[in-house]
Amino acid sequence: DTGVSQNPRHKITKRGQNVTFRCDPISEHNRLYWYRQTLGQGPEFLTYFQNEAQLEKSRLLSDRFSAERPKGSFSTLEIQRTEQGDSAMYLCASSRGQGVGETQYFGPGTRLLVL
Amino acid sequence: GESVGLHLPTLSVQEGDNSIINCAYSNSASDYFIWYKQESGKGPQFIIDIRSNMDKRQGQRVTVLLNKTVKHLSLQIAATQPGDSAVYFCAENSGGYNTDKLIFGTGTRLQVFP
Repeated sequence: DTGVSQNPRHKITKRGQNVTFRCDPISEHNRLYWYRQTLGQGPEFLTYFQNEAQLEKSRLLSDRFSAERPKGSFSTLEIQRTEQGDSAMYLCASSRGQGVGETQYFGPGTRLLVL
Repeated sequence: GESVGLHLPTLSVQEGDNSIINCAYSNSASDYFIWYKQESGKGPQFIIDIRSNMDKRQGQRVTVLLNKTVKHLSLQIAATQPGDSAVYFCAENSGGYNTDKLIFGTGTRLQVFP
């Protein structure tokens, strides 16, 4: 399967714990995006990378959230001191990154439940 | 509570009929639009896209129409099948120099009955 992959697919944690999610984009895709989706809503943009550079961050990405893409390939999204309001589906997408307004292909998501 | 947001607009159609899903977008500067299909528990799946210099684009069984005057987008699905049952989202990209994010609409649930 050469699509976007995300791990883990599901995560249950207790409030206050730290969690980390991983995203592997489509091979040779330079741009990688993180979105968050709550039940019944469309995905909301969090941040994106062009290779290893983080180009934009949403105001939704509080200080407890950090994303990295150290080698320009896979990316990690860490949430520190999780809160119940962090419960959501975290989606990763990738695109070729040769221009703006390209098709973004999504992974299956990581569903987070904070108890 | 948890029920808020579950009340997506729903379109119910009979198998074999044509479906039309509508979307109003917000930014008149947006120049790229995408329709995604999302099945329960899965990530959004690309269906079809269109740029602002076009008003119609066709794919296999799907057609997207763009009306920039009223900032309206529609997705037409021909001969709707049970496998088309899902939530459909439109998304826009403003295409600005320093941004490449998609802004999604609230979604429409399509239910196909045999």
